[in-house]
Amino acid sequence: DVKVTQSSRYLVKRTGEKVFLECVQDMDHENMFWYRQDPGLGLRLIYFSYDVKMKEKGDIPEGYSVSREKKERFSLILESASTNQTSMYLCASSLGYEQFFGPGTRLTVL
Amino acid sequence: GQQVMQIPQYQHVQEGEDFTTYCNSSTTLSNIQWYKQRPGGHPVFLIQLVKSGEVKKQKRLTFQFGEAKKNSSLHITATQTTDVGTYFCARSGGYQKVTFGTGTKLQVIP
Repeated sequence: DVKVTQSSRYLVKRTGEKVFLECVQDMDHENMFWYRQDPGLGLRLIYFSYDVKMKEKGDIPEGYSVSREKKERFSLILESASTNQTSMYLCASSLGYEQFFGPGTRLTVL
Repeated sequence: GQQVMQIPQYQHVQEGEDFTTYCNSSTTLSNIQWYKQRPGGHPVFLIQLVKSGEVKKQKRLTFQFGEAKKNSSLHITATQTTDVGTYFCARSGGYQKVTFGTGTKLQVIP
């Protein structure tokens, strides 16, 4: 079974803090993705990566950056957290067209 | 990226009733995917449709892709409490980048 893990289920940070969200997959998938999920808006793509050190902006990249130094790990970075970044963050990986999701990190920025 | 629109946003049904959610795009889709997210869970891939007019079934779930490849539907026959969750349609593009619809939240009343 594909396993995608995320570093935290719940996280509380203060405005202006630098926040790291980590995602690890164990199936040697080429593609990895970060989404945020907000009520009524569905899942919106922040960034994705199709190879080590390669990254592409998604639909809402502002305020975020990513890092992929190893194939299995994809990190989302909030350089200076703001209250409007309070959300559920979901990581996913894929080899073909099916995406496999991690359990999500619910981030609250105070 | 253009989001795919889904209706309705919410649906409450009595257990045993049927349920349908619709997905619409202003542009022609090369494919349509469906995911289910249980309350407190993460999205799980259900199916992908690629052919015009395609119909696929999974037990009580019927998935359709429109003839013009601009819309899709998911129909559940005789809903059960295990069907509760949010259903997302999505389209897959280059690098397996997936754009999700806004989702339909289904509540089943026992």
